[in-house]
Order: sequence, then C-alpha cells, then structure tokens
Amino acid sequence: KAGVTQTPRYLIKTRGQQVTLSCSPISGHRSVSWYQQTPGQGLQFLFEYFSETQRNKGNFPGRFSGRQFSNSRSEMNVSTLELGDSALYLCASSLMKGETQYFGPGTRLLVL
Amino acid sequence: GDSVTQMEGPVTLSEEAFLTINCTYTATGYPSLFWYVQYPGEGLQLLLKATKADDKGSNKGFEATYRKETTSFHLEKGSVQVSDSAVYFCALQSGGSYIPTFGRGTSLIVHP
Repeated sequence: KAGVTQTPRYLIKTRGQQVTLSCSPISGHRSVSWYQQTPGQGLQFLFEYFSETQRNKGNFPGRFSGRQFSNSRSEMNVSTLELGDSALYLCASSLMKGETQYFGPGTRLLVL
Repeated sequence: GDSVTQMEGPVTLSEEAFLTINCTYTATGYPSLFWYVQYPGEGLQLLLKATKADDKGSNKGFEATYRKETTSFHLEKGSVQVSDSAVYFCALQSGGSYIPTFGRGTSLIVHP
C-alpha cells in the first residue's frame, strides 16, 4: 500500500506570496493532520481534518488554512508568507480520528 | 495538559554500542505511546508503539516498554549501527485528544 505523499517536496517563495501544499493520505485513511517543524519550535500541530471538516486546530494565525476533499486528499494554504514560515511541513494520515498517524516525507518551504 | 519529555541530545555513540533514549510523559488516562524516527531530509516514520501498561513495542532491533508506574517509555537498542543515525521522537496520544503530543526529539549520531 502506498504511503502518504506530499507535493511539492521543495518550494522557494518570497515574502508576501502565498503557497498551497498538497497531501494524499494512505488509501482508506480518512483523517489528515498537518504539522510545522522548525529547529526552534520542534513539531507544532497546525490542524486536523476528518470527513472534509476541520476537527482540531493548533495555535497558528489565520494565514494558515486548509481543506480536505471527498477523496480525503488535503491541501494547506499559507497566505502573505513571512520569513518565519520557512519550515518543513508534514502531513500525517490515520484510518480514523485518534488512531496511529503515518507521516509523509514533508514539503520543505523556504521563504526569502 | 499532556506532555512528553525526552533527554536532550545529541547522543553520540560508537557502532555496536548500547542505546538508551529516555522518555517520560504526563497524561490523563491511559495514553498510547509511540516512538517515531526521522532520517535526514525525510518525514517521521513510526518505529514502534505500545497501547497499554507493560506492553513492549519492538521493531528493527529497537524496543520500548510502557511503564505506567514510572510514566516512562524509554527506547533501547542492543547494538546500534551507523544507519541508525537520526532524530528520535517520543509521542503520546491520550483518549481525550485525537492529536498526538510529541517530545522535542533526540538526535542520535553513531560513529563507525
């Protein structure tokens, strides 16, 4: 069974731009979570989607948003990029809410 | 709230040495416990898990035992290899939250 896939793997943007990252969960998984990983803050939870609805949200500004489609694929969007948004963005999927999460390889975003 | 405390790294060992990475937790109820590993430039991979007290999770020579009395889940391996060099994350998922709580990660460096 294919694992979690994320596209693109690497991205370079400039301040003020917006970006959309994509995540395809493991087949059959219905829950998708997003995390931001930085050297200073570690792994921080962004949000979780289940059945196309955001179920949980972390402590991030409104510039960070996401959505989930009927096939469980998910996208996250960051608007008005700031230098501090440079990070590895990880997507994780699980069969149902609260079950073991399986991570994708991440999208490394660099904001210049 | 829930929290996970890991020993700070980096942990530096010679090949074939014994590895212990300490992890203690605070949680309400009876959480499930996990170790994830992150190799350079990659996402997190589930290494092992345990879902109830006294359970032992094991995979690829790594082991960890769920100790409820000491609220610990220490990771051990009898003989490390250079290829084990990575960052190891301890995490818990309690019944009341669908979102895992991660430790800060412990970097392991294994020299030939």
